[in-house]
Amino acid sequence: AQSVAQPEDQVNVAEGNPLTVKCTYSVSGNPYLFWYVQYPNRGLQFLLKYITGDNLVKGSYGFEAEFNKSQTSFHLKKPSALVSDSALYFCAVRDGQNFVFGPGTRLSVLP
Amino acid sequence: KAGVTQTPRYLIKTRGQQVTLSCSPISGHRSVSWYQQTPGQGLQFLFEYFSETQRNKGNFPGRFSGRQFSNSRSEMNVSTLELGDSALYLCASSLTTDVYNSPLHFGNGTRLTVT
Repeated sequence: AQSVAQPEDQVNVAEGNPLTVKCTYSVSGNPYLFWYVQYPNRGLQFLLKYITGDNLVKGSYGFEAEFNKSQTSFHLKKPSALVSDSALYFCAVRDGQNFVFGPGTRLSVLP
Repeated sequence: KAGVTQTPRYLIKTRGQQVTLSCSPISGHRSVSWYQQTPGQGLQFLFEYFSETQRNKGNFPGRFSGRQFSNSRSEMNVSTLELGDSALYLCASSLTTDVYNSPLHFGNGTRLTVT
């Protein structure tokens, strides 16, 4: 079965600094990987996806993610964090027709 | 383009009652999935419908059921509510012309509290 892990429950970063939210995956076959963000009392919003092609994927709101096959990782990154980026971030993998989500990482950007 | 709409936003029910949640997908999206989100278990897949047929089902008891109508709107029903059913229930829709390339688009959820 496909699975994703997010090793950090919480990430704190100062505004203006680069941020990284980590994700590792375990899949059989080709990985189809996604990042979502959830703001308080809202549903999840799609940020970006990796299906095939370039290992660096660019997404919404200045986010990007780096796919690393040898390390089975798909870390989310942003060069300069904003306070408004504070939210819950989920990594997900396609498992047939379904999605399997990681446990989430809470990002806090401090002013 | 309107997003995924879920109604109601909040519900309070007592144990033993039943509840029906509604979801209207993005226009043109024919696949609708339901997820349960709790602090302890995270996001768990309930079921997915496409063209009025349930294609996949997660590991939930039979008290959880759903259906999809010909206009792609979907409902989920939970019977004989238990305290542990308190959660945020999220509906998501997607295009299915390319299964692996289509992200999920989520509604804002229905917050169910069982007392």
